Amino acid sequence: QKEVEQDPGPLSVPEGAIVSLNCTYSNSAFQYFMWYRQYSRKGPELLMYTYSSGNKEDGRFTAQVDKSSKYISLFIRDSQPSDSATYLCAMSYTGNQFYFGTGTSLTVIP
Amino acid sequence: GAVVSQHPSWVICKSGTSVKIECRSLDFQATTMFWYRQFPKQSLMLMATSNEGSKATYEQGVEKDKFLINHASLTLSTLTVTSAHPEDSSFYICSASDHGATNYGYTFGSGTRLTVV
Repeated sequence: QKEVEQDPGPLSVPEGAIVSLNCTYSNSAFQYFMWYRQYSRKGPELLMYTYSSGNKEDGRFTAQVDKSSKYISLFIRDSQPSDSATYLCAMSYTGNQFYFGTGTSLTVIP
Repeated sequence: GAVVSQHPSWVICKSGTSVKIECRSLDFQATTMFWYRQFPKQSLMLMATSNEGSKATYEQGVEKDKFLINHASLTLSTLTVTSAHPEDSSFYICSASDHGATNYGYTFGSGTRLTVV
């Protein structure tokens, strides 16, 4: 079983839609949870970071962590074409070594 | 914010030759840098942890004699793929931390697309 599972998609939504991206994980020792956005042929850029459980909001983005269910989510409100990218979840025990999901490819259609 | 510069962005080489990839932290010092490999439609997989002034730590299954890592200064780590073969073709990405100065602090380079022909 993989440490981190993420549906690769692809996911296609109309502009303005709310997007929900999810990851599940198997190891309850994970404490650090991150979401990265990766454009084609580029390195990932950090979008959201959460330590332990709870919600975090930053503009149109909301990250949720449910440690009891071993499930994390990223919500994008009022999605824009510029949000079209691959979204990677990542987790860590210590904050140094990360375990990544495979990424979900998102296309926002104008 | 923290910037990590990675060069080259893409490289094509002949089978059997060696390729060096550079990772630089431009506006901060990084005692530790990480090297990842990403195959199409797969996760980023950590290959090794590069420590300034000491030997790199390699993940299980990564050949340390094939993927040579040098971290000679606080701003530069290099990954050399020796005797490259077509199966080494992948997207290689480095990351470094400014230790919390910026948004938890792990910044990725823009990646290097290696194609071995």
